[in-house]
Amino acid sequence: GQNIDQPTEMTATEGAIVQINCTYQTSGFNGLFWYQQHAGEAPTFLSYNVLDGLEEKGRFSSFLSRSKGYSYLLLKELQMKDSASYLCASRDSNYQLIWGAGTKLIIKP
Amino acid sequence: ETGVTQTPRHLVMGMTNKKSLKCEQHLGHNAMYWYKQSAKKPLELMFVYNFKEQTENNSVPSRFSPECPNSSHLFLHLHTLQPEDSALYLCASSQDPGVGSEKLFFGSGTQLSVL
Repeated sequence: GQNIDQPTEMTATEGAIVQINCTYQTSGFNGLFWYQQHAGEAPTFLSYNVLDGLEEKGRFSSFLSRSKGYSYLLLKELQMKDSASYLCASRDSNYQLIWGAGTKLIIKP
Repeated sequence: ETGVTQTPRHLVMGMTNKKSLKCEQHLGHNAMYWYKQSAKKPLELMFVYNFKEQTENNSVPSRFSPECPNSSHLFLHLHTLQPEDSALYLCASSQDPGVGSEKLFFGSGTQLSVL
C-alpha cells in the first residue's frame, strides 16, 4: 500500500534548527511536497523536490533521497511564527498526492 | 491570502439538516478539489473537477454531493450527515493536475460540526 510517515509532534527552541523527517512508499514517484499549515488557516506550499539533493529557500531547505524513500524539511533560525503543522506529500505515478498526517511543530522561547 | 475563498468558516448542523459549502478561486485555475481533514489524519481527497468535469470521486458517501458550475466555483452539498463527518473541509485549486510539480492552493476551510 501507499504510505507516508512523519512524526506527530516536535518541539524546538526559538533561534535553533529543526529537521522534520518524512518517509514515503508510493506506487511510482513524481515528486515530494512540503506544505505549512498554521492553526485555522490554509495549507500553503513550501517546497517541491523531484531530484535527489537539497533545495534551499531562505531559512527553509528540503532534501530528497529517492533511493531511500526519504525527505526532510530543515528550518533554520527558528521564529515563533514557524509554529505550525508541516505536511509531507508524495505524488505517485498516477499524479495522485499521498499525504502524511502532518507534524505539529511547537517553538518555545 | 491564497486566492481561494471558502464560506462559511464554521458550520454546526444537525443530522437532518441540509447545508452547502462554497468555494471560489480567483487564480484562473482549471482544477478544483475538495479535501477532508480530520485531526491527526492525512488529508483525504474527496472530489476533483478538471475543466468543470468531475474526474475523481474517492468512494465518498452520497450524503456529500459536489457541484462545479464553472471553473471558479465549487460547492459541496451536505445532507443527513453523521457525527463522524465532523472535520475541516478544505477546497483547493491548481492550474494543471497532470503536471508533477503542480502545487495546490488551499482555502482556509470550513470547520464542520455535526450534532
